[in-house]
Amino acid sequence: SAVISQKPSRDICQRGTSLTIQCQVDSQVTMMFWYRQQPGQSLTLIATANQGSEATYESGFVIDKFPISRPNLTFSTLTVSNMSPEDSSIYLCSVESGSFGEKLFFGSGTQLSVL
Amino acid sequence: GQQLNQSPQSMFIQEGEDVSMNCTSSSIFNTWLWYKQDPGEGPVLLIALYKAGELTSNGRLTAQFGITRKDSFLNISASIPSDVGIYFCAGQGTSYGKLTFGQGTILTVHP
Repeated sequence: SAVISQKPSRDICQRGTSLTIQCQVDSQVTMMFWYRQQPGQSLTLIATANQGSEATYESGFVIDKFPISRPNLTFSTLTVSNMSPEDSSIYLCSVESGSFGEKLFFGSGTQLSVL
Repeated sequence: GQQLNQSPQSMFIQEGEDVSMNCTSSSIFNTWLWYKQDPGEGPVLLIALYKAGELTSNGRLTAQFGITRKDSFLNISASIPSDVGIYFCAGQGTSYGKLTFGQGTILTVHP
């Protein structure tokens, strides 16, 4: 499985500010995925990031709020823009593996608290 | 959209007991996955199931892909304190990387 490093591991931010989360993988991967886990909840896919193209966002998530970069095959960033307390969540980067890309491996996540 | 119902929501057991949890779906999945999440960490993949009826073990863990492709269960035998955590089922349809997660089962093991 790939080794996925995320930073920061946690942050406390003020309302109205933005935070950029970085995700580094130790091997080249075609697709990277960003998930959100709200407090006490399950995981929800935010978007899929492919190198060289715009990210594909799931219903309920928009690029203006969660801009994503994917400059190469080992790195991606997710920005949480104009934050409000409702954005307090764990944000997780993941990559696929397996013969058909059917398995996902996750980074350790970024615990975000918005005051 | 697809939804997964995972049960039970939480379990409090004694060390040494066996544990069973399951997930059901209104839709068919091509792959079922079981993850464990410890506090402050991302989910860690425990078992992946690829075809209907498949029964797979990983140490004390056993999981099965239901015949209808709409359900899966996870069993943990002889639980130990380090089994404590949140267990998630997840199903994958036809979209790579897009997993639908269950609500999670919080497992507490008393020594």
